[in-house]
Amino acid sequence: GESVGLHLPTLSVQEGDNSIINCAYSNSASDYFIWYKQESGKGPQFIIDIRSNMDKRQGQRVTVLLNKTVKHLSLQIAATQPGDSAVYFCAERLSYSGGGADGLTFGKGTHLIIQP
Amino acid sequence: DAMVIQNPRYQVTQFGKPVTLSCSQTLNHNVMYWYQQKSSQAPKLLFHYYDKDFNNEADTPDNFQSRRPNTSFCFLDIRSPGLGDAAMYLCATSRGHSAGYTFGSGTRLTVV
Repeated sequence: GESVGLHLPTLSVQEGDNSIINCAYSNSASDYFIWYKQESGKGPQFIIDIRSNMDKRQGQRVTVLLNKTVKHLSLQIAATQPGDSAVYFCAERLSYSGGGADGLTFGKGTHLIIQP
Repeated sequence: DAMVIQNPRYQVTQFGKPVTLSCSQTLNHNVMYWYQQKSSQAPKLLFHYYDKDFNNEADTPDNFQSRRPNTSFCFLDIRSPGLGDAAMYLCATSRGHSAGYTFGSGTRLTVV
């Protein structure tokens, strides 16, 4: 039968405001985390990453916070612009086990809508 | 520019008819990944190649196969596509475990 897609959580903010997107990750053994932006019909685009030995990392207009105690990751976008409208995914990678390369496990995603 | 290229961008195939999606890279990365992303869902890893070594995820259906004839190219073969296989298929590369990932733009597969 036809599969039904899940509805993504949606966050709507006014242009110019700051936005915070949250993500709960699943594995305490993950050592590397990435935030991706995905626009409709396109592949994921890297925004910012953070390793598990850090709790905060800043980029241009973006900040990622990592709380390993509660397995929580957040992405802060400052002074949002219309071009920030997209789906945002967090992704985690398990720590290296010596067996090769591990792929990413993605979180569910949040649809960010920037209101003019 | 160095990049990950997926062809075609859109692919329509008939129910049960084998289909192949392709991915090429000019980054000389030694790892190539295939992800499946269904509508309004997160990408899900199907398998990856570390050099010539194939690594299948435990829950990837047998209907999905992959080939990597050389460093630059990787193919996703769907032997008998079903309606539930309609999705965006994403290829990604990395230099290895210590490096980041580069994604292609994806191939949107429709099964009719």
